[in-house]
Amino acid sequence: DTEVTQTPKHLVMGMTNKKSLKCEQHMGHRAMYWYKQKAKKPPELMFVYSYEKLSINESVPSRFSPECPNSSLLNLHLHALQPEDSALYLCASSQAPITGGSEQFFGPGTRLTVL
Amino acid sequence: QKEVEQNSGPLSVPEGAIASLNCTYSDRGSQSFFWYRQYSGKSPELIMFIYSNGDKEDGRFTAQLNKASQYVSLLIRDSQPSDSATYLCAVNKPPNKLSFGAGTTVTVRA
Repeated sequence: DTEVTQTPKHLVMGMTNKKSLKCEQHMGHRAMYWYKQKAKKPPELMFVYSYEKLSINESVPSRFSPECPNSSLLNLHLHALQPEDSALYLCASSQAPITGGSEQFFGPGTRLTVL
Repeated sequence: QKEVEQNSGPLSVPEGAIASLNCTYSDRGSQSFFWYRQYSGKSPELIMFIYSNGDKEDGRFTAQLNKASQYVSLLIRDSQPSDSATYLCAVNKPPNKLSFGAGTTVTVRA
């Protein structure tokens, strides 16, 4: 089962709201990722968790706050976002941090609109 | 120089033809190479990965890797309208990242 699930599928929020995106995988993967994708652009890495610890933060603004409660779950907490943060937010997981190479599987994404 | 470059496209091929997608990368230390297919409005789907020089075939897809030339390609044989999508080349960037190319949009015309 190569499935990563994400909720919600769509989210509309105001600039003063607080919301959370959720991601889950049951493949026993030990690395999980958050990406942001704008239209007609490739995915842009935001955060990497490796063995439930944050290993990479790509200088993401603090209004995005990741959390990894356990090896199967990944959250992205959103607060005081800007309209330019509207994008498709993708979660991915892989069997191990990519060193020798381990393919990443993406979830269906959350389409976020910030008003 | 971009880390991963793909032929810009769009690429239009007739149904039944071969679609050829190219990708070059700058980091000689890269070890793993991936092709993702992304339909409009959907998330990327892994369709091929290759780690060793040479060819790797999976159904109608063939990935080719030449590390000396820092070149990886994807061939889609007997192209079908359902192959119309954007194809993303991705290269591992040690220790823990993927670098993506800008993507090539393929249209298969019936």
